[in-house]
Amino acid sequence: GQQVMQIPQYQHVQEGEDFTTYCNSSTTLSNIQWYKQRPGGHPVFLIQLVKSGEVKKQKRLTFQFGEAKKNSSLHITATQTTDVGTYFCAGYGAAGNKLTFGGGTRVLVKP
Amino acid sequence: DSGVTQTPKHLITATGQRVTLRCSPRSGDLSVYWYQQSLDQGLQFLIQYYNGEERAKGNILERFSAQQFPDLHSELNLSSLELGDSALYFCASSAIQGGGEQYFGPGTRLTVT
Repeated sequence: GQQVMQIPQYQHVQEGEDFTTYCNSSTTLSNIQWYKQRPGGHPVFLIQLVKSGEVKKQKRLTFQFGEAKKNSSLHITATQTTDVGTYFCAGYGAAGNKLTFGGGTRVLVKP
Repeated sequence: DSGVTQTPKHLITATGQRVTLRCSPRSGDLSVYWYQQSLDQGLQFLIQYYNGEERAKGNILERFSAQQFPDLHSELNLSSLELGDSALYFCASSAIQGGGEQYFGPGTRLTVT
């Protein structure tokens, strides 16, 4: 079945630095979504990418969907303490009826 | 606040028991999804309902079952509970059958002792 992998599993970042988390699918995706889960909270939808090569920005967050629609990345610039949490990518396969989540990247920010 | 409600927030029960988790989707959403999140784990998709009908199934154990009622709320039934079933159970809803963003409830933390 479809598998979605995320790396790194953990990301320790100094406040003010940039970092990138990567997401790779075993199969071509119809779209990819990113969610953020704060410690003790529930996943919150951030964004959805649909087109091959699509790039979207939300303030300091830049999301990219690969040309082959099998990978994605999230780049955060000038990390802040409010960025702490686990970032999940999730993709719909061709059938579009099941959202498969990656294992998440847990982000810890050092002030 | 996502608009998705889940009850109860916490549940502590013994092995072998049966519990029911309840979810009310956002107003107007027809799809309900159930996920299991074990400690430090990702989200495992269990099952999806759309307007009362089962639409997709993930890694849901035979001891688990779910349904969506005419008022669109959903229940997840877990029976013959084992220690390994201890986890956070999230419900999510979306407006469409597949492909759209999902809005998660606050979750039910199940502890099996």
